[in-house]
Amino acid sequence: SQKIEQNSEALNIQEGKTATLTCNYTNYSPAYLQWYRQDPGRGPVFLLLIRENEKEKRKERLKVTFDTTLKQSLFHITASQPADSATYLCARDTGNQFYFGTGTSLTVIP
Amino acid sequence: NAGVTQTPKFQVLKTGQSMTLQCAQDMNHEYMSWYRQDPGMGLRLIHYSVGAGITDQGEVPNGYNVSRSTTEDFPLRLLSAAPSQTSVYFCASSYPTGVGYGYTFGSGTRLTVV
Repeated sequence: SQKIEQNSEALNIQEGKTATLTCNYTNYSPAYLQWYRQDPGRGPVFLLLIRENEKEKRKERLKVTFDTTLKQSLFHITASQPADSATYLCARDTGNQFYFGTGTSLTVIP
Repeated sequence: NAGVTQTPKFQVLKTGQSMTLQCAQDMNHEYMSWYRQDPGMGLRLIHYSVGAGITDQGEVPNGYNVSRSTTEDFPLRLLSAAPSQTSVYFCASSYPTGVGYGYTFGSGTRLTVV
């Protein structure tokens, strides 16, 4: 099984705060974990990925961490804005397939 | 640069009908795949292709066929539509998996089978 799990509960945060989303995986560590953003009625958009041997990756206000001991990746959005409201998906790259989590819905309240 | 183009955007089928969902990409990506997205189920892989002439099954292949005669095109065929195939279908492409590239997704096809 290549199961990957995300907190299915919606996350509501105040504008300006840091949003933290969780992605957990089972069995062996994936070579890569990827994060996507999906807006209603649209396809997912690739944001960034982190490799197995990387602890942390940053891109503008986004930060991803990868903890192979906990089998977990955390996705942070700092200084959140209402425009960051969307569903965020994580995916594991097993080498020939991508397996996606169910996504976490984020709402940033002005 | 259009990225990944899916047609049609919406479709209503009657049970038992067949149809083909079209997917084309202009990025010279080797890897292409089809997913279906259902509420609470996330994206589930139907079929994928690692290059022209090569296809393989994903998690939920039953009731679907694919072929990959060119690098650009990867159509998905529904053989005999069933209500359980009501879903949103996404096509995606990337450079080879396992080396750290993300997917580019199409905008989706919303299919209803009545």
